[in-house]
Amino acid sequence: QQQVKQSPQSLIVQKGGISIINCAYENTAFDYFPWYQQFPGKGPALLIAIRPDVSEKKEGRFTISFNKSAKQFSLHIMDSQPGDSATYFCAAANSGGYQKVTFGTGTKLQVIP
Amino acid sequence: DAGVTQSPTHLIKTRGQQVTLRCSPKSGHDTVSWYQQALGQGPQFIFQYYEEEERQRGNFPDRFSGHQFPNYSSELNVNALLLGDSALYLCASSLDMAGGGYGYTFGSGTRLTVV
Repeated sequence: QQQVKQSPQSLIVQKGGISIINCAYENTAFDYFPWYQQFPGKGPALLIAIRPDVSEKKEGRFTISFNKSAKQFSLHIMDSQPGDSATYFCAAANSGGYQKVTFGTGTKLQVIP
Repeated sequence: DAGVTQSPTHLIKTRGQQVTLRCSPKSGHDTVSWYQQALGQGPQFIFQYYEEEERQRGNFPDRFSGHQFPNYSSELNVNALLLGDSALYLCASSLDMAGGGYGYTFGSGTRLTVV
């Protein structure tokens, strides 16, 4: 059961461009939406997260946009850099669910110089 | 940096065998969650341990079992290994908080290959 759908599967962006990754969820009990970044051979690392009481959260070059009514959220990476090349996972969790996090299928981002 | 430590990093097992994976949580964390990440997929929740008890379980068969020790470290055991169990097994530690604490710290994982 895929509760968090993520697209695209892969993404190639030129250095300095904007990378956009989209996710949609089904379970309305989710109330926490983190994004994780994973480099080859490493575990996922928390990048940025948002709760549904706000529509946007920005941290440096990373911005989450959240649309509660559409049950969609997205990650924007501004001024993409080659060092951003990694796999990105959106995720969702229910604060009443003992921290169980449901992950999307991942987007492999490649930023080319 | 007392992050999450997993051992071993790589493991090759034969179908039908049993395997034990180990995890030491980040200092100060008391909750350990285990995830299975198949190649090219997102991590899938196996189960979570808190106060030495399995608190929540994902959609995995009973062949997958675990344990948490008084020092919060944890083990994941898989019996009767199948080829489909080949994956990266991730341990995530966190601090339990009322309303859900989301400070997951992941280890680098154990790459299990079943042949």
